Amino acid sequence: GAVVSQHPSWVICKSGTSVKIECRSLDFQATTMFWYRQFPKQSLMLMATSNEGSKATYEQGVEKDKFLINHASLTLSTLTVTSAHPEDSSFYICSARGGSGREGPTDTQYFGPGTRLTVL
Amino acid sequence: GQNIDQPTEMTATEGAIVQINCTYQTSGFNGLFWYQQHAGEAPTFLSYNVLDGLEEKGRFSSFLSRSKGYSYLLLKELQMKDSASYLCAPMDSNYQLIWGAGTKLIIKP
Repeated sequence: GAVVSQHPSWVICKSGTSVKIECRSLDFQATTMFWYRQFPKQSLMLMATSNEGSKATYEQGVEKDKFLINHASLTLSTLTVTSAHPEDSSFYICSARGGSGREGPTDTQYFGPGTRLTVL
Repeated sequence: GQNIDQPTEMTATEGAIVQINCTYQTSGFNGLFWYQQHAGEAPTFLSYNVLDGLEEKGRFSSFLSRSKGYSYLLLKELQMKDSASYLCAPMDSNYQLIWGAGTKLIIKP
């Protein structure tokens, strides 16, 4: 239980293009979804928190016009990296919270498998 | 400020026991999570503690002392597949997880 999928698992794109990443909670309704970025050998960095039907809350230093987040339903959130540049190359991971009665408490974040973005 | 302190790297032998310590400082506290993260993969949930004491779950146990801002993860009967990073993540007053760099555990035969 508490399965979160992410698509695509990896993507290579040219500089200046936009990339959309989907995050879905498959067997529970997620009240909140989170988007993280992780560079090699570094800790998870929270980019934004989103609740279904409302605007995402972005962490300091994260450009909301560059990283567009849409949380259209209780099971789907998308992150669009607009006008991607090589410095945006990273491992992007989503997590979903709200799976009560699963392995952990309601506040447990369950992670998707991640999307490795390479911008040429 | 908020911070987490864990050893950067530990090495242990297959079949042995290892304890990964974590000290933390947060603005408020709503429990502490341990996650496992294999190289190139996303974290997976291991355990949650909100009250002082030991929570046992198969080969893995997690301990919490709120007054000391301290937790540990105990791994028994180590297997090669346990080679991974282990992330201690306390939850602050806003129910946000605070992430450190984790402890990279290397298991040797």
